Amino acid sequence: QVQLQESGPGLMKPSETLSLNCTVSGGSISSYYWSWIRQPPGKGLEWIGYIYSSGSTTYNPSLKSRVTISVDTSKNQFSLKLTSVTAADTAVYYCARTINSAWPPGGFDPWGQGTLVTVSS
Amino acid sequence: QTVVTQEPSFSVSPGGTVTLTCGLNSGSVSTSYFPSWYQQTPGQAPRTLIYNTNTRSSGVPDRFSGSFLGNKAALTITGAQADDESDYYCLLYMGSGIWVFGGGTKLTVL
Repeated sequence: QVQLQESGPGLMKPSETLSLNCTVSGGSISSYYWSWIRQPPGKGLEWIGYIYSSGSTTYNPSLKSRVTISVDTSKNQFSLKLTSVTAADTAVYYCARTINSAWPPGGFDPWGQGTLVTVSS
Repeated sequence: QTVVTQEPSFSVSPGGTVTLTCGLNSGSVSTSYFPSWYQQTPGQAPRTLIYNTNTRSSGVPDRFSGSFLGNKAALTITGAQADDESDYYCLLYMGSGIWVFGGGTKLTVL
C-alpha cells in the first residue's frame, strides 16, 4: 500500500523559500501524477500543482510564478519549492498521488498526513 | 476566473439523507470535469470518497454516492451517521492540467 510522508521546516521567515519533500513508500514513484495541495488554517483546500514521473509539471496559475515541483526517482521522492513566502503561505501542506496512472487521473488518493508550515517574522 | 461553488453549510438528521452539490460560477459540471469528493475532519488529512463522478474509493461505504443534480456534481449521503459530521470538498478538472477545489461544505448531523 502506497504511503506518502511530507517533511520540511515548520517555521519560516517572510521572503524565504519554502522547501518540502514528499517520500513515497510501498510503491514506485514511476507513473502517476504527484501533487502538492495546501490548506491555510481554518480555510479550504488549494491545489498547488503536480508533476508526472517523467518530469512534466502543471501549476496553479495563481502560484505559478513562485512554484517549482521536481521529482527524484532515485529517492522515490518529489519536492515543492515556493519562493518569497509571506504570512499568506502559512498552511498545512499535503502531498498526494493521482488515483489513476493513466488519463484521466480521477482525483487524488492517497494523501500524506500533512505538514504545517508557519511563516512569521 | 472559474470558481467552484459549494454550499457553505448543511445539516442533516441522524438517519436522514443529504445531497451536497458542486457547481461552477459559469457553466455546467459534466463528466469531463472528473468530479471527486473528499471528507475531512479537524486535524486530519482529507479522505477520498468518490472519484470520476460516481466511483467509490476503496473502503467507502455505499451510503456515499456521486451523481449529477441538474448542472452540478452531487454527493449524496444516505442514512447519515454522527461520524459523517465533517467538511466535504469537491474537486474539478478545469482542463490544461488544472484542478480546482470547491470552498467546502460543513455538514452538521443533528
